[in-house]
Formats: sequence, C-alpha cells, structure tokens
Amino acid sequence: QVQLVESGGGVVQPGRSLRLSCAASGFTFSSYIMHWVRQAPGKGPEWVAGIFSDGSQKFYADSVNGRFTISRDNSENTLYLQMNSLRADDTAVYYCVRYYYGSGRQRCFDYWGQGTLVTVSS
Amino acid sequence: DIQLTQSPSFLSASVGDRVTITCRASQGISSYLAWYQQKPGKAPKLLIYAASTLQSGVPSRFSGSGSGTEFTLTISSLQPEDFATYYCQQLNSYAITFGQGTRLESK
Repeated sequence: QVQLVESGGGVVQPGRSLRLSCAASGFTFSSYIMHWVRQAPGKGPEWVAGIFSDGSQKFYADSVNGRFTISRDNSENTLYLQMNSLRADDTAVYYCVRYYYGSGRQRCFDYWGQGTLVTVSS
Repeated sequence: DIQLTQSPSFLSASVGDRVTITCRASQGISSYLAWYQQKPGKAPKLLIYAASTLQSGVPSRFSGSGSGTEFTLTISSLQPEDFATYYCQQLNSYAITFGQGTRLESK
C-alpha cells in the first residue's frame, strides 16, 4: 500500500534552516509528481511546492519562493524540502503529497503523509 | 493566484440531513477541482476529484458537481462520521490553492 512518511520537523529559531524528508513506498515513486503542503495551526492547507517526476521542473508558492527548495532522489524513493531563512509564519504541519494526474481533468492529491510539525520560534 | 471561496464557513446539521457546500473560484478552472475531508489531527482525505468523480472507497452519499467557477459538494444523508472540515482545491495550474474550509458540526 502507498505510504508517505515525513521526518525532519522540530523547533528552529527564526532565520535558521531545516530539511524535511519524505520516504515513499508502495508505488513507483519515480513516475509521480510530488508536492509539499503545509497547514498552520487552526488554518486550512496551503500548497508549498511541487516537483516533476524526473526533477526537471519545480514550482513554488510565492510565500516560500527563494527560501525553500524542493528536490527528490528517485534512487532512494525520497522527497526533500530544504527550508532556509525560516520565519515565524512558516510554523505548520508539513505534508508530503502524491499528485495523481489521470486522463481528462483528473488531477488531485490522492495520498498524504501523516505530516511533520515545524515550529519556528526563538 | 486563483482564489477559492467556500460557503458556508460553518454548518450545523443533524444525522440524516442533506447538506451542500459551495466553492466559488475567482476565475474559470474547468473541472480541475477536488474536495477533501479533514478530521482533527489527521491529514486531509481525498473525497472527489475532477469536480464529480468519487475517489475509490468513498461512500456514495458524497457527490460533487459544477464546472467553471461554481462547484458543490453534497452529502445526501449525513452520518456521524461525516462531521469534519471540508476543503475544496483547484488544480488548474501549478499555483494550487485551497478554499478556506467549511466546518460541519453536529446540531
């Protein structure tokens, strides 16, 4: 079965860096576009970044562009999110998400990890 | 970016009720719309994609409709396990956005 397991969250001071990882299993990781989505306490989900299956294209939300970098290692079935210059408003649960892209207009986030909490605080 | 506005933001209903949630997009998104259910402390769960396609394993009491800028999620007969927060999401472009959510609570 599809599993996405995030790790790397924790408490970090403003301005510092953190790298999140997502270990994927149960599907052919190298065939799927992957994304990161975050959810601040008491708020709705916010898309953060996405990466093509071969890593050739990457997309970012304006709120993180220039500070966060998404990457992947298809040989290790792992997705990453490097977060630099962290701010208090980056505090959230970060989810690793698989993007389903089917025929017609079939697009969605069909599998989500359990999330990892990042708290930015001095 | 495309903005999604859900209404209502809060809904109080009883088991057995038929409930409808609306999602309006700030510009046309064809049928590139999905609906998710989220319970406290859990990740969102996919219910519907392509505006009206039910995800495998999701009960048939859930249905979706719409295209362009206006979409609806309907629960035909509310069950106890359906009390949760619901989000719409547009995937028309890679600047993916979510609605602000509709919290469905027991009356």
